[in-house]
Amino acid sequence: QLVVTQAPSASASLGASVKLTCTLSSGPSTSAIAWYQQQPQKGPRFLMRLNIDGSHTKGDGIPDRFSGSRSGADHYLTISTLQSDDEADYYCQTWASGIWVFGGGTKLTVL
Amino acid sequence: QLQLQESGPGLVKPSETLSLTCTVSGGSISSSSYFWGWIRQSPGKGLEWIANIYYSGTTYYNTSLRSRVTILVDTSKNQFSLNLSSVTAADTAVYYCARVLRAGIIDYFDYWGQGTLVTVSS
Repeated sequence: QLVVTQAPSASASLGASVKLTCTLSSGPSTSAIAWYQQQPQKGPRFLMRLNIDGSHTKGDGIPDRFSGSRSGADHYLTISTLQSDDEADYYCQTWASGIWVFGGGTKLTVL
Repeated sequence: QLQLQESGPGLVKPSETLSLTCTVSGGSISSSSYFWGWIRQSPGKGLEWIANIYYSGTTYYNTSLRSRVTILVDTSKNQFSLNLSSVTAADTAVYYCARVLRAGIIDYFDYWGQGTLVTVSS
C-alpha cells in the first residue's frame, strides 16, 4: 500500500529558506510526486511535479523561489526568501496503478 | 484559461446521496491528455482523493470509498459528476473538482475548482 508521509508542521523566518519533506514509505523508489500549496481559505494550487531524476516542472506562474529535489524515498520542496503569503499548507501527492494518494500536509508558519 | 466550477446542494441528509457536478470551461473534457477528478477535504483535515474519470468513461476509485461512489462524465455538456451514497456526518467536507494531467510517470491535479462545502445533517 502506498503511504505518503509529511511532517505536520514547519516554521521559518521571513526572508529565510525552508525545506519541506515528503517521504514515500512503499511503492517504487523511483516514484515521482507533485507538490501543492493551499493558502488559508483557498483551494489547492499545483506548484510542481518532481521528476524521477530530481528535476522539477513547475506550474504556471510559480516563482523561482520554489524548487524541488529528492534523495531516495525523500522528496523535498524548498522555498527560499520566504514571504508572508507563503504561509500555507503544503501537500505532496503520488500515483501508482490508478491510485492517487496525498500526504497529510505540512502547515508552514512564516515567523 | 481553464475553469472548473462545482455545483450541487450544500446540505444533504444522512443516509441520502450527495450529488455534485463539475462544469469545465475554457477547454474540452474530451481531450486524451487528461483525467477529471474529485477530491475532498474535511474540516481542518487534509486532502482525500475520491475518484477520477477519463472522457471515455474509464474510472478510478479510492478503495476506501469505492462501494459508495459513482463518477460519471457527460462530454456533450463538458461536465462530470460525483454521486456519494449513504452519507454520514463524516462525509461533511469541501469537495473539489480538478483536472488530472496525464504526465507519464505521474498524473497530477493541475487545475482545481474553488470547492464547494457539503454538510451532512438532518
